[in-house]
Amino acid sequence: AQKITQTQPGMFVQEKEAVTLDCTYDTSDPSYGLFWYKQPSSGEMIFLIYQGSYDQQNATEGRYSLNFQKARKSANLVISASQLGDSAMYFCAMRELRGNTPLVFGKGTRLSVIA
Amino acid sequence: NAGVTQTPKFRVLKTGQSMTLLCAQDMNHEYMYWYRQDPGMGLRLIHYSVGEGTTAKGEVPDGYNVSRLKKQNFLLGLESAAPSQTSVYFCASSYPTSLPYNEQFFGPGTRLTVL
Repeated sequence: AQKITQTQPGMFVQEKEAVTLDCTYDTSDPSYGLFWYKQPSSGEMIFLIYQGSYDQQNATEGRYSLNFQKARKSANLVISASQLGDSAMYFCAMRELRGNTPLVFGKGTRLSVIA
Repeated sequence: NAGVTQTPKFRVLKTGQSMTLLCAQDMNHEYMYWYRQDPGMGLRLIHYSVGEGTTAKGEVPDGYNVSRLKKQNFLLGLESAAPSQTSVYFCASSYPTSLPYNEQFFGPGTRLTVL
């Protein structure tokens, strides 16, 4: 069974600083995908970044990057140059290819950016 | 395109009442999903569908039923609502794929309170 663990219920970061949100996962499927979503206070779910298990390089999307350490089964989200608008809940999710499974989400990390 | 829409946005029920949540998507997606979000629990999958006329159970299916009579619609039913079903319900959809990448597009959510 797949499992996603986000150990940081809440994080604070100073504006313009970088922050890392932790995510570890557990799967026996060699082919899987890892996703990060952002949920601002307005409630919508916004897709941020994706990393495939066979991707050779870490994914990047603007100020977001994914620190993918396959052997450690971790997929940490790094946000550079934090902005006040980055304050939100962040969810890590995984999809196993075997069984064509839907996304399984972690419990989330609430990030607060301080001016 | 409207993307994924959910009806209603808010609802208050009394214990034992029934209701149906409607999810509609105009992206011609084969896959559709229902999640519930509770504080500290992240998003948990209730039911999902990989095509018209097919449904499958997720992590927390008890107390819910679903139907996918049309490709663009996915209905979530509560036959006899309980206070434990107070939650925010999200619908999502995605393309079918044999690859790990399977971005799910989310609706705005339905906030349900059961008294």
